[in-house]
Amino acid sequence: KQEVTQIPAALSVPEGENLVLNCSFTDSAIYNLQWFRQDPGKGLTSLLLIQSSQREQTSGRLNASLDKSSGRSTLYIAASQPGDSATYLCAVRTDKLIFGTGTRLQVFP
Amino acid sequence: GAVVSQHPSWVICKSGTSVKIECRSLDFQATTMFWYRQFPKQSLMLMATSNEGSKATYEQGVEKDKFLINHASLTLSTLTVTSAHPEDSSFYICSEAARGNTEAFFGQGTRLTVV
Repeated sequence: KQEVTQIPAALSVPEGENLVLNCSFTDSAIYNLQWFRQDPGKGLTSLLLIQSSQREQTSGRLNASLDKSSGRSTLYIAASQPGDSATYLCAVRTDKLIFGTGTRLQVFP
Repeated sequence: GAVVSQHPSWVICKSGTSVKIECRSLDFQATTMFWYRQFPKQSLMLMATSNEGSKATYEQGVEKDKFLINHASLTLSTLTVTSAHPEDSSFYICSEAARGNTEAFFGQGTRLTVV
């Protein structure tokens, strides 16, 4: 059974810091891995999609890497801003889409 | 990208009543959809996989008689919470799953409150 874990569970940092969020999964036979952002009481916003054959994807200040063989992905956020405050979720796709436990991020001015 | 429309966005119902949540694909044929539930400050838990024209596949611990899933067409999947109780209050969200190697698109979610 696929299990997806995210570390840390919560993170509070001052504005401007570079951040690394971690996602690990137990079954490496995945099609892809997707990172999402969720604001309180809201739905999901897709941030980045990494196919199983890819090593990383970048969008603006966000960079996601994937090491499928070791079952790990990281989301790097450069120069964090208060507007980045949200819960970040990773999800791995096999025949199902399984979500990680989430990281609650707070960036304070 | 694919658009998934979920309705209603929120609903309040009395204990013992049933609530239907619709998830509609607007520009593609969704043979498979995933239904998730999210309790406060928790992640999304997969409840079931909805398959067009056949029975849904439920995850372990999810009562199929309580959470009825119907996927009668390629554009519509519904989740009905039957005889709802306060502990069913949660955020329910659907996702299309057209192909394994593509980006997953989600509905806007439904916040259910049972009083």
